[in-house]
Amino acid sequence: GAVVSQHPSRVICKSGTSVKIECRSLDFQATTMFWYRQFPKQSLMLMATSNEGSKATYEQGVEKDKFLINHASLTLSTLTVTSAHPEDSSFYICGVIRTGGINSPLHFGNGTRLTVT
Amino acid sequence: GDSVTQMEGPVTLSEEAFLTINCTYTATGYPSLFWYVQYPGEGLQLLLKATKADDKGSNKGFEATYRKETTSFHLEKGSVQVSDSAVYFCALSGLSGGYNKLIFGAGTRLAVHP
Repeated sequence: GAVVSQHPSRVICKSGTSVKIECRSLDFQATTMFWYRQFPKQSLMLMATSNEGSKATYEQGVEKDKFLINHASLTLSTLTVTSAHPEDSSFYICGVIRTGGINSPLHFGNGTRLTVT
Repeated sequence: GDSVTQMEGPVTLSEEAFLTINCTYTATGYPSLFWYVQYPGEGLQLLLKATKADDKGSNKGFEATYRKETTSFHLEKGSVQVSDSAVYFCALSGLSGGYNKLIFGAGTRLAVHP
């Protein structure tokens, strides 16, 4: 069964509004979750690393005030796209790593397709 | 920094053909290597992994061997099926900036025709 649940799977919003995407770890507690963005026919770009109980670590070039990440519990991380614009339209995927260090693979949600009109 | 380079796609094959998707990496230290697969409209699924040199990862008929001397992790399958049509991503897990990160290649789209 699914290890990671991501919701919603699709969302369409108007320019200027905010959208929240949830990522839940179903089978285990996750101190670290990762948020990726995927443009059409391109690879995944790591946006930020979400750490339970502390601030997220953002990759260079990612606006932390625009992409708000909250990791309030060991099973839930949220990504909020604030004041969305059409260029924010993309496929967002969260990845969850079991506590196991560097050799542990990521388990991914099914992604959220965001369309900003 | 660490990086992954994959062969460009799309790769188009007939059913039962042999598949190779090349992947090379650049990394400091000793990364773990992964292949992920993404079916249309879905998220990524782990296909196989290898954690040290000369390890062979295998799953669903796919194989990849961690070659430290050539810094490669090529994906192979002896006989592909239509259901293998997907995008395949090579990735490495390593420390970057003090954090454990998964770094992906650009992805290779595979289309298998009957």
